Amino acid sequence: EPEVTQTPSHQVTQMGQEVILRCVPISNHLYFYWYRQILGQKVEFLVSFYNNEISEKSEIFDDQFSVERPDGSNFTLKIRSTKLEDSAMYFCASSEAGTENTGELFFGEGSRLTVL
Amino acid sequence: AQTVTQSQPEMSVQEAETVTLSCTYDTSENNYYLFWYKQPPSRQMILVIRQEAYKQQNATENRFSVNFQKAAKSFSLKISDSQLGDTAMYFCAFMKLGAGSYQLTFGKGTKLSVIP
Repeated sequence: EPEVTQTPSHQVTQMGQEVILRCVPISNHLYFYWYRQILGQKVEFLVSFYNNEISEKSEIFDDQFSVERPDGSNFTLKIRSTKLEDSAMYFCASSEAGTENTGELFFGEGSRLTVL
Repeated sequence: AQTVTQSQPEMSVQEAETVTLSCTYDTSENNYYLFWYKQPPSRQMILVIRQEAYKQQNATENRFSVNFQKAAKSFSLKISDSQLGDTAMYFCAFMKLGAGSYQLTFGKGTKLSVIP
């Protein structure tokens, strides 16, 4: 069964460093998302991406964050200069679009980011 | 803005018994989906069950069913004949329709343990 895959599963970085989290969405999906979950808190929406551009973003997704679909298969989240409060589990998700869309998002296993 | 509240951080149930997980939400929208997602330990979130707000009939998927009370903004999940594999975090989630991005708003989750 097709899956969303994410790499790395865990990354430790120093504050101020750049981090890129990678995701391979399900191949026929057209909408892509990043969510994050700080330990003990809710899963929060960061950004959605469709047709090679951001379709919606939350207030969390500030100028330190960017997303890209560089090669038609990967979907990346870049954090330019990490802060301690960026430590979280980051989930990638994808979904179909159009009339066959049931609203279901397919999630990856997550990438745990630890900022020291 | 939408909010989703899960008032039970942790629950446990004996194998083969029935358990109900609570969820309430707040929205001014009329067209939306509600979901229950399951996240087993160290695995990705997967969809358990979905309810369209315009449908009065409660959704059912095998041992999983919901009690959707639109006026009360309540959306509980009932798991019948609990199995050890049901041990997981369960997230209630809301999706507004028509925004074109399929963004989910999550509750904080309920950790369910099925006891042999």
